[in-house]
Amino acid sequence: DIQMTQSPSTLSASVGDRVTITCRASQSISSWLAWYQQKPGKAPNLLIYRASSLKSGVPSRFSGGGSGTEFTLTISSLQPDDFATYYCQQYNTYWTFGQGTKVQIK
Amino acid sequence: EVQLVESGGGLVQPGGSLRLSCAASGFTFSSYGMNWVRQAPGKGLEWISYISSSSSTIYYADSVKGRFTISRDNAKNSLHLQMNSLRAEDTAVFYCARESGSLGSFDYWGQGTLVTVSS
Repeated sequence: DIQMTQSPSTLSASVGDRVTITCRASQSISSWLAWYQQKPGKAPNLLIYRASSLKSGVPSRFSGGGSGTEFTLTISSLQPDDFATYYCQQYNTYWTFGQGTKVQIK
Repeated sequence: EVQLVESGGGLVQPGGSLRLSCAASGFTFSSYGMNWVRQAPGKGLEWISYISSSSSTIYYADSVKGRFTISRDNAKNSLHLQMNSLRAEDTAVFYCARESGSLGSFDYWGQGTLVTVSS
């Protein structure tokens, strides 16, 4: 099974900060990686697929990068609506989610 | 507008059964693979099952294999999850999610239905 490890687990930041979340796969997954945002009590929302492709309608301050086993999600300038939990997901072999990164107000 | 609406959750005793449904609208349901994903209270996301558009391919996570059965009715635009031999650790919000294509990411999700397994 492919394991996904996110870091950090919690991130404290201020509005306007540049924020980067890392996701590591236990084996190479090429670019078969997605990022989701989830707010309390709500379903996850797809932000990025194929490691760096932005889903239509997602603000351009979100960007993804990486390939193989190491990936990043960057928010260029954190907005109030961005405080949420973020999950990476591999879909190279079945589907596996990372444990999540909570972005909270500093 | 793509909509996925889950139903069928509730309180069930350990060892019991429950059948979840997901009603789809706003897209050609028969053209997409579908998934069930669950989230235990305060925990992360866990993929549990996939069914292809024609039901020809089905996958399960090891945690539910042999206990859960995924199915779909393309004529009724509905997805189902039959859950048997339920355990306390199955307590979670269950989401249905549309697979975007070619065993890819999940581009649309329902609002979830809560399953509580407790005596």
